[in-house]
Amino acid sequence: GAVVSQHPSRVICKSGTSVKIECRSLDFQATTMFWYRQFPKKSLMLMATSNEGSKATYEQGVEKDKFLINHASLTLSTLTVTSAHPEDSSFYICSARNVAGGPGNEQFFGPGTRLTVL
Amino acid sequence: GESVGLHLPTLSVQEGDNSIINCAYSNSASDYFIWYKQESGKGPQFIIDIRSNMDKRQGQRVTVLLNKTVKHLSLQIAATQPGDSAVYFCAYRDDKIIFGKGTRLHILP
Repeated sequence: GAVVSQHPSRVICKSGTSVKIECRSLDFQATTMFWYRQFPKKSLMLMATSNEGSKATYEQGVEKDKFLINHASLTLSTLTVTSAHPEDSSFYICSARNVAGGPGNEQFFGPGTRLTVL
Repeated sequence: GESVGLHLPTLSVQEGDNSIINCAYSNSASDYFIWYKQESGKGPQFIIDIRSNMDKRQGQRVTVLLNKTVKHLSLQIAATQPGDSAVYFCAYRDDKIIFGKGTRLHILP
């Protein structure tokens, strides 16, 4: 159990286009999901916290108009990279918190989406 | 500020030996720490966690030690295997999980 999926796993796009990445909790409900980005040989950096039915909370330095987050249901959050540029190329990873989970490991990570902007 | 850091970016260990990966943290208010393993091109995988009211916790082939006095966390992997090759991150969680810089574990044949 506790599986988080992302789609697509890999995407290549032209500069100026927008790309949508989906994050789904497959066997549990998640009122809160998190989006991270990871550059090569670097750590995961939290971008934003996504709460079902409300606006996302962005970390300092993350442009909310650039990275649009929608968390329309308890099993789906989407991240849209708008007008993507080469510097947005990165590995984007989502995480979902199980509403039924108690203290401990109730946050589960997806497999990541590799975005390459040409 | 809040941060979690690692002492060594790369650790090479002979297959069969024990591995010790270290981590320092600065946020003394942190009460929950986690170790993750990340293989190339994949998301982080939970290994083991520990609460601040403990100083040691053991899992299968892994042990986490927490020294709150010096704000130090370590992950010990017993009898390291080729499948242990990955980047290991320590992290802490308040309301969200914050990752440290990572250590790449390289297994020598």
